[in-house]
Amino acid sequence: NAGVTQTPKFRILKIGQSMTLQCAQDMNHNYMYWYRQDPGMGLKLIYYSVGAGITDKGEVPNGYNVSRSTTEDFPLRLELAAPSQTSVYFCASSYLRAGANTGELFFGEGSRLTVL
Amino acid sequence: GNSVTQMEGPVTLSEEAFLTINCTYTATGYPSLFWYVQYPGEGLQLLLKATKADDKGSNKGFEATYRKETTSFHLEKGSVQVSDSAVYFCALRLIQGAQKLVFGQGTRLTINP
Repeated sequence: NAGVTQTPKFRILKIGQSMTLQCAQDMNHNYMYWYRQDPGMGLKLIYYSVGAGITDKGEVPNGYNVSRSTTEDFPLRLELAAPSQTSVYFCASSYLRAGANTGELFFGEGSRLTVL
Repeated sequence: GNSVTQMEGPVTLSEEAFLTINCTYTATGYPSLFWYVQYPGEGLQLLLKATKADDKGSNKGFEATYRKETTSFHLEKGSVQVSDSAVYFCALRLIQGAQKLVFGQGTRLTINP
């Protein structure tokens, strides 16, 4: 059981370059999330999705875009990379329905991005 | 707004010592509270949770009690092991709206043999 899979694990970008962080889950979860983790700052929510075709902004969405064309996949796009986007990015998923709302998120192993 | 504040780290203890990591929260409404743990090189995973006041969550020897009167959810363990070395995150989830978590800044714990 793979759970939540993120790729790549490490990436170095130059300022102004673009890239996509991939995230896939095989648990048939309806909710998916992207967080960034900065040292000493905890996790901040970038974007989330409540199901295929539906996405919404979190706390820190500027500079990012997402799409959710399938239940399994939730890629995060950086269009014009900036040094402020140097961070560790975590994708997570959860299952939410009436009567089965545990609040538990399942996280991938993270993607470390450096923008120089 | 909604926020979570954890004690400053890093925390270094000897094996078999008693552990407390403080967590307090500010929230509108009645949140559920969580502790997540991140072992080196891994993503976060749920350690324990409590969904209402006076509930006690427990797992792997760790405990935390939801204290509404002090808006706290302190993590405790009676005797820590080297394998408990990790970063611990306190988090809250509001009942209303999407299942989004608000995380504290994390506390790095190192246990020396």
